[in-house]
Amino acid sequence: QEQLVQSGSELKRPGASVKVSCKTSGYTLTRYAMNWVRQAPGQQGPEWIGWINTNSGKPTYAQGFTGRFVFSLDTSLSTAFLQISSLKAEDTAVYYCARGPSYYYMDLWGSGTTVTVSS
Amino acid sequence: QSVLTQPPSVSGTPGQRVIMSCSGSSSNIGSNTVNWYQFLPGTAPKLLIYSDNQRPSGVPDRFSESKSGTSASLAISGLQSEDEADYYCAVWDDSLNGLVFGGGTKLTVL
Repeated sequence: QEQLVQSGSELKRPGASVKVSCKTSGYTLTRYAMNWVRQAPGQQGPEWIGWINTNSGKPTYAQGFTGRFVFSLDTSLSTAFLQISSLKAEDTAVYYCARGPSYYYMDLWGSGTTVTVSS
Repeated sequence: QSVLTQPPSVSGTPGQRVIMSCSGSSSNIGSNTVNWYQFLPGTAPKLLIYSDNQRPSGVPDRFSESKSGTSASLAISGLQSEDEADYYCAVWDDSLNGLVFGGGTKLTVL
């Protein structure tokens, strides 16, 4: 059974960093691209953060997500990572990893990691 | 403010057919295929429709999509209580060079 298993909830202070993990199960990480999406509480809809080519490791970030957001991989662990630095209160959201067979859709999602940024 | 506009809510009774819309522009819906996702609290989101009304394995044919110009619609026939969820449209936007989501429609099964 194909799954994406994400790490647990995080509570961080403003200015800190967080690293969210997403482990693939039932398929090989490098077979498909990996996307990252977030949904803030009360916000209208999800936001696409970007994607990483799991073969080359090349990341692509959406507008507004360059600089503090970094995608990475550890293929030996079948795991993709999202690291966010200099956290702000407005980064409070559920962060999802999602597999992308094509650049325009995501067919398998993790169950989300809640990141709360609060002093 | 989302790039794609969806009605905040729709409702229906079991067995009914409901339709929810997704309105965009020439740079997104007008030139690319629309995808639809189902979000249920505490669970992994689910892809319902992709690539011109294709359904992934396991998604019943009660779910279908139509598209005209810069708008798309998701139809759910034979409404069931387990369909109660939030539904989001998403599409690649050529101007933004990225994937954009709608604001979502909450489906209530009465």
